[in-house]
Amino acid sequence: AQKITQTQPGMFVQEKEAVTLDCTYDTSDQSYGLFWYKQPSSGEMIFLIYQGSYDEQNATEGRYSLNFQKARKSANLVISASQLGDSAMYFCAMREPPRNGANSKLTFGKGITLSVRP
Amino acid sequence: KAGVTQTPRYLIKTRGQQVTLSCSPISGHRSVSWYQQTPGQGLQFLFEYFSETQRNKGNFPGRFSGRQFSNSRSEMNVSTLELGDSALYLCASSWTSGTTDTQYFGPGTRLTVL
Repeated sequence: AQKITQTQPGMFVQEKEAVTLDCTYDTSDQSYGLFWYKQPSSGEMIFLIYQGSYDEQNATEGRYSLNFQKARKSANLVISASQLGDSAMYFCAMREPPRNGANSKLTFGKGITLSVRP
Repeated sequence: KAGVTQTPRYLIKTRGQQVTLSCSPISGHRSVSWYQQTPGQGLQFLFEYFSETQRNKGNFPGRFSGRQFSNSRSEMNVSTLELGDSALYLCASSWTSGTTDTQYFGPGTRLTVL
């Protein structure tokens, strides 16, 4: 089963509007970390925002916020006031605790392409 | 503070050759992870090094190997290259390997195998 599911096809948003990118995850652990990254066409993976499983408040970083619904196992990224430079691929990722003597790793979803229209 | 650097940025090799990619983590970071990104398979974890020891490994053949030096710099090596090894190889560093630790990525090395 997929650990991180991002099922939206390419998303389009008008400049200056808000957009929500969906992410659901699957884990049996109580402690885990959720991350969102942005990957422009240049290829570099840019960290956007982090949410810990025990955090009671939704994370915010500038124009980015994370709508964390633990019971539903969802961690949607909200981008407010979209800009042309937000056009990129967006990845949701999860980090679970170490197991079987191995350190934890990031597991990524397949990503969502966001296009911002002027 | 300087970010994660990877060299080279682009590489063209032929089948059967071997290749070595280099990654310098953010100063003070001791964990370095490698990922392969392809259009078909997405982002896949290769391995993670912490304090010069491999601490986790993904499902890749033994042709893929890596190491970490005492200054935390890391290299990954792919021997006997195949066409399917063409990909973007991303390196990421973090302070530790904890679940709350953010991994910061480098710009990647784009490998093309002909």
